Amino acid sequence: AQSVSQHNHHVILSEAASLELGCNYSYGGTVNLFWYVQYPGQHLQLLLKYFSGDPLVKGIKGFEAEFIKSKFSFNLRKPSVQWSDTAEYFCAVNAQTGANNLFFGTGTRLTVIP
Amino acid sequence: DGGITQSPKYLFRKEGQNVTLSCEQNLNHDAMYWYRQDPGQGLRLIYYSQIVNDFQKGDIAEGYSVSREKKESFPLTVTSAQKNPTAFYLCASSGYTWGTDTQYFGPGTRLTVL
Repeated sequence: AQSVSQHNHHVILSEAASLELGCNYSYGGTVNLFWYVQYPGQHLQLLLKYFSGDPLVKGIKGFEAEFIKSKFSFNLRKPSVQWSDTAEYFCAVNAQTGANNLFFGTGTRLTVIP
Repeated sequence: DGGITQSPKYLFRKEGQNVTLSCEQNLNHDAMYWYRQDPGQGLRLIYYSQIVNDFQKGDIAEGYSVSREKKESFPLTVTSAQKNPTAFYLCASSGYTWGTDTQYFGPGTRLTVL
């Protein structure tokens, strides 16, 4: 079965700092990879996803993620965070064949200090 | 306005009672999902349905039941057999966008057992 690890449980940054959130998955086959964000009091929203092609994926609000197959990683990055980026971030994976079930990491809470 | 709606937003239940959470989508998606979100544990899959009149257990189905009589609706019943039902429940549906099947989430229902 697939599993996802997010090693940072809570990250605190000042505005304009750079962000990198780690995500590692375990699965032997071909996967789709996702980052979702949950702003306080809001829906879980899709930030970006990777399924094929360029391993550097750009998403909404200036976020990007890089798929490194050899490291089973899909880290999320943003060059300069804003206070409005304060949220919980979830990495998720599913297999490209078979059932579409998503496996989620435990989430990383990001707090950006103005 | 297309999307996924969940009701109610907050739900209180006495121990020993069954309660049903509503999930409706007007995105014309075939597949629908129920997740449970607990602090520090990410999202865990309860049940999913790939098509009307068919559904499968997820990782934590014990104490829950579902039905899928209509494409638009996927209600979840939390039974008295669920030992720790207090949690945030998220419904999702999935459709093919941006090159792959992607899950979209509703606003959630927060269930508290008194």
